[in-house]
Amino acid sequence: DAGVTQSPTHLIKTRGQQVTLRCSPKSGHDTVSWYQQALGQGPQFIFQYYEEEERQRGNFPDRFSGHQFPNYSSELNVNALLLGDSALYLCASSQDRTGTYEQYFGPGTRLTVT
Amino acid sequence: DAKTTQPPSMDCAEGRAANLPCNHSTISGNEYVYWYRQIHSQGPQYIIHGLKNNETNEMASLIITEDRKSSTLILPHATLRDTAVYYCIVRRTGANNLFFGTGTRLTVIP
Repeated sequence: DAGVTQSPTHLIKTRGQQVTLRCSPKSGHDTVSWYQQALGQGPQFIFQYYEEEERQRGNFPDRFSGHQFPNYSSELNVNALLLGDSALYLCASSQDRTGTYEQYFGPGTRLTVT
Repeated sequence: DAKTTQPPSMDCAEGRAANLPCNHSTISGNEYVYWYRQIHSQGPQYIIHGLKNNETNEMASLIITEDRKSSTLILPHATLRDTAVYYCIVRRTGANNLFFGTGTRLTVIP
């Protein structure tokens, strides 16, 4: 049973560029959430996707956008990268159809903006 | 969601029980207590959750006080692999996201 997978593992981008991160949920899960974790801090909620729509959003600017595909996988896009966007980006999946809200996290993508 | 307060760090001897406290004095009746941990450079890992009764699974036990204003996560026999940051999170029923604080950094000492 594959867990949550994310790609790429590491990424280096230049300020002003755009980046796309990918996530495949745990088998049987239908909901994907994205979190940003700065060094030394706890993860911060960016947004959640369910049935291919953004269901809830945290306090992040519109430069952060996402998408969920029919197979439940998801992408996180960040435009006009800032140095402050350097962080570990975590994807978490859950199965909300059955009311099982425990979120299972992937290993994350380490983004460095120079 | 109610705010939680945890000590920033704790040490525990290998083989002994690790007791991690969490204060959530403003918790509401429909809010659950969740515990996650994050081992260095990995994603957070779900440990256990509860509403008002004590809970136990293969990883840990969760003790919630009768007034629900605080809880304790117990790792019965800590190993070096339990060294991690432990997050206590209060989450209302049906909430879609988790609010992480800064957690407790547990170091298990040989």
